[in-house]
Amino acid sequence: NAGVTQTPKFRVLKTGQSMTLLCAQDMNHEYMYWYRQDPGMGLRLIHYSVGEGTTAKGEVPDGYNVSRLKKQNFLLGLESAAPSQTSVYFCASGPRAREQYFGPGTRLTVT
Amino acid sequence: GENVEQHPSTLSVQEGDSAVIKCTYSDSASNYFPWYKQELGKRPQLIIDIRSNVGEKKDQRIAVTLNKTAKHFSLHITETQPEDSAVYFCAAIERFQKLVFGTGTRLLVSP
Repeated sequence: NAGVTQTPKFRVLKTGQSMTLLCAQDMNHEYMYWYRQDPGMGLRLIHYSVGEGTTAKGEVPDGYNVSRLKKQNFLLGLESAAPSQTSVYFCASGPRAREQYFGPGTRLTVT
Repeated sequence: GENVEQHPSTLSVQEGDSAVIKCTYSDSASNYFPWYKQELGKRPQLIIDIRSNVGEKKDQRIAVTLNKTAKHFSLHITETQPEDSAVYFCAAIERFQKLVFGTGTRLLVSP
């Protein structure tokens, strides 16, 4: 039981490049979330999903897209990376909204 | 939507002292309030939570209180130890199944 895993752990992108972050969970959770964490700003919700095939926008969705084709995976895409997207990205999953388990995080730098 | 404010942003105490972190929320419909602890370079982890039908909850050296009328809740840590040093986040569950986080409090416990 690996819990919540994130791939990759670190990444450096140039402005305009694209990439996909993968979140995987083996706990059969319905709810999955993508947050970004910036100094002094806490955890801000980017997108979330309440079940396979569903997605919804969070607080800061612009510049990101997501997909939940399989229940265990939640993908976060950056189509054209910008320096403002430099951040630490956390995925979380849970059997219900109030019970969230976080992944280890992905540190992304956009130059 | 829900808005959560957290104070102070930094808190320094001596080992053995008590620490109190306060949060306020805006949506009277919010009914669940978790607290997360994030050690340096690690993922946030749930340490305690409280539901709106409870005024106080304790777990060893930590406790959380909730005042629904005033829409504020607090984390209390007694007999602080150096390993309590971390960033603490409060959160409130927003009516549409999302957690809204405060901006975090960096607690430093000096030996």
